[in-house]
Amino acid sequence: ETGVTQTPRHLVMGMTNKKSLKCEQHLGHNAMYWYKQSAKKPLELMFVYNFKEQTENNSVPSRFSPECPNSSHLFLHLHTLQPEDSALYLCASSLRSGGDTQYFGPGTRLTVL
Amino acid sequence: AQTVTQSQPEMSVQEAETVTLSCTYDTSESDYYLFWYKQPPSRQMILVIRQEAYKQQNATENRFSVNFQKAAKSFSLKISDSQLGDAAMYFCAYTREGSGNTPLVFGKGTRLSVIA
Repeated sequence: ETGVTQTPRHLVMGMTNKKSLKCEQHLGHNAMYWYKQSAKKPLELMFVYNFKEQTENNSVPSRFSPECPNSSHLFLHLHTLQPEDSALYLCASSLRSGGDTQYFGPGTRLTVL
Repeated sequence: AQTVTQSQPEMSVQEAETVTLSCTYDTSESDYYLFWYKQPPSRQMILVIRQEAYKQQNATENRFSVNFQKAAKSFSLKISDSQLGDAAMYFCAYTREGSGNTPLVFGKGTRLSVIA
């Protein structure tokens, strides 16, 4: 596969569930990002990882827990979410975290019941 | 803080015609990058075009071109010979140059409809 992939593409979960979103990039990039896209809102940056180190946490609630085991993989662990967390979660990667073009995955559509 | 403003929530264009989407931004930086991304109904965010602020020449990619006015902090996207496949949300985005953390700042988007 090429580019940035995300699994699952769709996820429905209850407020007490624990689930994880996965992102993988096949571009040899060193920076990876999680964004949240809600209806009628601009894309919101959640987390940035640069060479596996978290360099940005944009005031995200602790019920979202990122993990970056290597430069190619990024996870978003979810637990005790709220209905307002329902959104499209987009993963992106770039060669470096300063000014380079970001390439996006197809997103995971999350619905919290 | 940097901001990106897209003042047109929706636009429409006849097939084969030309349309221009507006974007303005606010920054105190001198070195930065501007992007237009397209998000079709599939939700995949696709890069359309990229502009380096230090370049005076406007970027072009086939039917897509930009009008970059640095002094006015304006970055509009022109789509020529519009096709049905161009129908999508278009997002303008900004990031500054830097060796550290410089994430993208997005506008709210413009929904483009293409009329056959």
